[in-house]
Amino acid sequence: DQQVKQNSPSLSVQEGRISILNCDYTNSMFDYFLWYKKYPAEGPTFLISISSIKDKNEDGRFTVFLNKSAKHLSLHIVPSQPGDSAVYFCAAADYTSGTYKYIFGTGTRLKVLA
Amino acid sequence: GAVVSQHPSWVICKSGTSVKIECRSLDFQATTMFWYRQFPKQSLMLMATSNEGSKATYEQGVEKDKFLINHASLTLSTLTVTSAHPEDSSFYICSARGLAETQYFGPGTRLLVL
Repeated sequence: DQQVKQNSPSLSVQEGRISILNCDYTNSMFDYFLWYKKYPAEGPTFLISISSIKDKNEDGRFTVFLNKSAKHLSLHIVPSQPGDSAVYFCAAADYTSGTYKYIFGTGTRLKVLA
Repeated sequence: GAVVSQHPSWVICKSGTSVKIECRSLDFQATTMFWYRQFPKQSLMLMATSNEGSKATYEQGVEKDKFLINHASLTLSTLTVTSAHPEDSSFYICSARGLAETQYFGPGTRLLVL
């Protein structure tokens, strides 16, 4: 049972335009969410996070939006740059075991076209 | 800040041998370290969580006698794949968490068992 889902396996966007990556989750107990960027054969790089008490967090070109009622979060990248091309994973933090464990989505491959 | 290293980055071994992978937090003390495994085109799957000085907590379906984890200090955790077989070939990634909840990932280790 996939608790964190990224339904779009890939996305292509023109340079300078907005990239919107989506993520849905099923467990209403998740209270902390993160986005990571990953290149092939490398570890994920932390991009941005959001706590469930917020609905928006912004850091430079990256903004994460959280809609708790819909159990949906999205990552907006604007303007998109060719260097943003990578696989993006959303993760939800599950604290039920007493420490935060991350549950990752399956990833969305973003390609920014020059 | 928040740099995590892994060693080795690549390892090829014969079936039946054991392989040790090191994970180090270089500029912070990691109270908790995590070990993940990623199959091609799939998400990161948490294998185990380890806290310094205590036994690791393994996820369901992960053999603790097969994947030995030691977290001897606040900056070092090791994963030993014992009696490796071809089906153990994968990309292994560690992450480390300090006082905040964000996990920072190492660059990963690609294991190929012949």
